[in-house]
Amino acid sequence: GAVVSQHPSWVICKSGTSVKIECRSLDFQATTMFWYRQFPKQSLMLMATSNEGSKATYEQGVEKDKFLINHASLTLSTLTVTSAHPEDSSFYICSATVVQNQPQHFGDGTRLSIL
Amino acid sequence: QKEVEQNSGPLSVPEGAIASLNCTYSDRGSQSFFWYRQYSGKSPELIMSIYSNGDKEDGRFTAQLNKASQYVSLLIRDSQPSDSATYLCAVRAARGNNRLAFGKGNQVVVIP
Repeated sequence: GAVVSQHPSWVICKSGTSVKIECRSLDFQATTMFWYRQFPKQSLMLMATSNEGSKATYEQGVEKDKFLINHASLTLSTLTVTSAHPEDSSFYICSATVVQNQPQHFGDGTRLSIL
Repeated sequence: QKEVEQNSGPLSVPEGAIASLNCTYSDRGSQSFFWYRQYSGKSPELIMSIYSNGDKEDGRFTAQLNKASQYVSLLIRDSQPSDSATYLCAVRAARGNNRLAFGKGNQVVVIP
């Protein structure tokens, strides 16, 4: 149980393109989903917390107008990187929890490369 | 002070030996602690969770928690080459929205 699916697995696109990443909880309802970014040889950095039906909470330093998060249902959250540039190239990972205080389960991640 | 610290450098252990990983945290009110394993190029996968003081064993893995010392550790017994990965310590904030703070990770290399 507690399977989180993330799509796409990798994206290569030109600078200025907007990219949407989907995160789905397949066998449970996730009130809260999280979006992380990880640069090579660094740890996970939380970007934002996504709550179903409300605005996402962004971590300090993360531009909410650049990283648009939508959590329209209890099983789907999306992250859109708007007008992506090469410095946005990274490994983006989502996670979700079944209930409060339980572990977060991670999707497989999306490797984003902006040319 | 960082929320979660994992200070050891890469750890090389011979196959069959015990790998020991340590983690300290700053939020004294934290109640939930996790160890994740991350293979290169992959996302983290949960291997242990611990909520109360003492030891918790699951197969070859043992997590140890000492809230008074704000310290959590992970032991890997009978280390296998497949255990070679980066191990991330994660601590859930005492208050707020269920967010996790991650350490920078410890790379473990098991030498056959």
